[in-house]
Amino acid sequence: KAGVTQTPRYLIKTRGQQVTLSCSPISGHRSVSWYQQTPGQGLQFLFEYFSETQRNKGNFPGRFSGRQFSNSRSEMNVSTLELGDSALYLCASSYAWDSLYEQYFGPGTRLTVT
Amino acid sequence: DAKTTQPPSMDCAEGRAANLPCNHSTISGNEYVYWYRQIHSQGPQYIIHGLKNNETNEMASLIITEDRKSSTLILPHATLRDTAVYYCIVLRNNFNKFYFGSGTKLNVKP
Repeated sequence: KAGVTQTPRYLIKTRGQQVTLSCSPISGHRSVSWYQQTPGQGLQFLFEYFSETQRNKGNFPGRFSGRQFSNSRSEMNVSTLELGDSALYLCASSYAWDSLYEQYFGPGTRLTVT
Repeated sequence: DAKTTQPPSMDCAEGRAANLPCNHSTISGNEYVYWYRQIHSQGPQYIIHGLKNNETNEMASLIITEDRKSSTLILPHATLRDTAVYYCIVLRNNFNKFYFGSGTKLNVKP
């Protein structure tokens, strides 16, 4: 079956703009998590959604937000972009929120803020 | 969530077994041990996970010590394509939120 897809794959924005990234989970998966990866901080958890509800949230400012739709697709939004938001944004899906089920990651969206 | 400690890098000869250690001395009874790897600029790839018993799949074996304070990921016949950063993660049950540490950079050499 098809894997996790993320769009767009690459994005260049300027400071102060906002951006929306999209993630389509593996068919049948209902949990979607988002991560930010930077060379300095490594992989950091942003938030997780299950059945359109945010279940967990990492330590990121309110400029980072997300949502999940009834078909389990998810979007994350970053408002008022800062240079430090340049990163690889990864989405992962799993069958359920139970850690018994492994997460599958997409290829990521590379965001560059200038 | 329990923290993990991994060596920053390891070398392995192609065709030989790669044994990647992970220390998780503060692990609690309901926490799983997960292993992922990330090949440069790609999304992390699931390898294996376990709770108490040793596990094996088509990619690797996971050996968890009896006290669960450490584990070892074994790639039985490493290839050049196994060169990646390997992450050991401890995950609380019913809590789907990975904390990735720095991982181990495995260099498989011909």
